Amino acid sequence: ETGVTQTPRHLVMGMTNKKSLKCEQHLGHNAMYWYKQSAKKPLELMFVYSLEERVENNSVPSRFSPECPNSSHLFLHLHTLQPEDSALYLCASSHTHRDYYEQYFGPGTRLTVT
Amino acid sequence: GQSLEQPSEVTAVEGAIVQINCTYQTSGFYGLSWYQQHDGGAPTFLSYNALDGLEETGRFSSFLSRSDSYGYLLLQELQMKDSASYFCAVRAEAGNMLTFGGGTRLMVKP
Repeated sequence: ETGVTQTPRHLVMGMTNKKSLKCEQHLGHNAMYWYKQSAKKPLELMFVYSLEERVENNSVPSRFSPECPNSSHLFLHLHTLQPEDSALYLCASSHTHRDYYEQYFGPGTRLTVT
Repeated sequence: GQSLEQPSEVTAVEGAIVQINCTYQTSGFYGLSWYQQHDGGAPTFLSYNALDGLEETGRFSSFLSRSDSYGYLLLQELQMKDSASYFCAVRAEAGNMLTFGGGTRLMVKP
């Protein structure tokens, strides 16, 4: 295991539901990331946090809302999603924001929006 | 804008050597990272090249040529467990974060 855990591992939700994805890293890192991985598409960066402050928001729809209460935990709150949001959502961390090139990933949450 | 090109699929036999290429177009290049991802698994960091040349780590090596905007991942003595997707990644234009290539699916056959 890589030291980054994600829950739940699988999630099926309707378009009107509200759910949250959780990520926890046990590596003592200061930067955390959310990615979306869809079939046949490159990993897409969604959000970056450094020391609990959001560094980058890559033009992500507002139906995705991140939260970073401390440097070990990262959440992605989901609301009124669309079927095209079905994907694997990966969390990652790095030692610091400057060590972005070496990231440690969690196993992901496989999200299906019905 | 940025772009990374890598082959979508590569097939090789057990015990062989395989090279996965990555060409990139980006402004402000800082280095090239490589990640491995098994089906259903998390991407795992393999290597990072900031300078030209070959970096060796066990059976895996990574090469970078900044003048050619090109790098490759070399896997030697292939094993069945090496069957996975391999992604190259560069620093994004926006700052200290990664832009990933589309990935190369490596299939190792007996």
